Amino acid sequence: VQLVESGGDLVQPGGSLRLSCAASGFTFSNYWMYWVRQAPGKGLVWVSRINSDGSATGYADSVKGRFTISRDNAKNTLYLQMNSLRGEDTAVYYCARDVSNIVVVPAATDAFDVWGQGTMVTVSS
Amino acid sequence: QSALTQPASVSGSPGQSITISCTGTSSDVGRYNYVSWYQQHPGKAPKLMIYDVSNRPSGVSNRFSGSKSGNTASLTISGLQAEDEADYYCSSYTSSSTLVFGTGTKVTVL
Repeated sequence: VQLVESGGDLVQPGGSLRLSCAASGFTFSNYWMYWVRQAPGKGLVWVSRINSDGSATGYADSVKGRFTISRDNAKNTLYLQMNSLRGEDTAVYYCARDVSNIVVVPAATDAFDVWGQGTMVTVSS
Repeated sequence: QSALTQPASVSGSPGQSITISCTGTSSDVGRYNYVSWYQQHPGKAPKLMIYDVSNRPSGVSNRFSGSKSGNTASLTISGLQAEDEADYYCSSYTSSSTLVFGTGTKVTVL
């Protein structure tokens, strides 16, 4: 069971970036997925969630309208499209899996039992 | 949504028990039983220790336990060990259909 993020980079304010999270070792389409970020030396912040088939999403107020979460269940991959980036978006971005397999428990719990290693996004001129 | 309030630091000697509090509001911790706890060692990804207030994932030591009373959730670590030294974060589902994390607590094993 593994999640591997990629796509982090140095980007100028106002720029865009797309993060990817490749899943393996489990049935990706059975799980809600999330993005969580952590600024250097700071705490964890929830960014976004997406349900198992991609039909429902949610966002933190700080990124709403700028970030878009999506998934491709055929490719076992989660995405985060980030536009209009700001300095305060600088952070390590983690993708994470919900603890509940919706086939077994038909409701997500917003608890994350599998995490990626994180990818660093730096927004600076 | 403001972060849940946790003490900045908690310490204890090996073998002792410590408790970390996580205080929210009636719109998050007080309303839902979707409270989780995470352990994070420096430079590492967080690890789920407790979910749904008191459930332990497979593989997590039974020295870790969770509870909730009103707007405050708690994580207790019994039989404190050196490897428990880490940062701990709580989280809760909210009435805005978002998730909020706690401010984080640094646990030091003396």
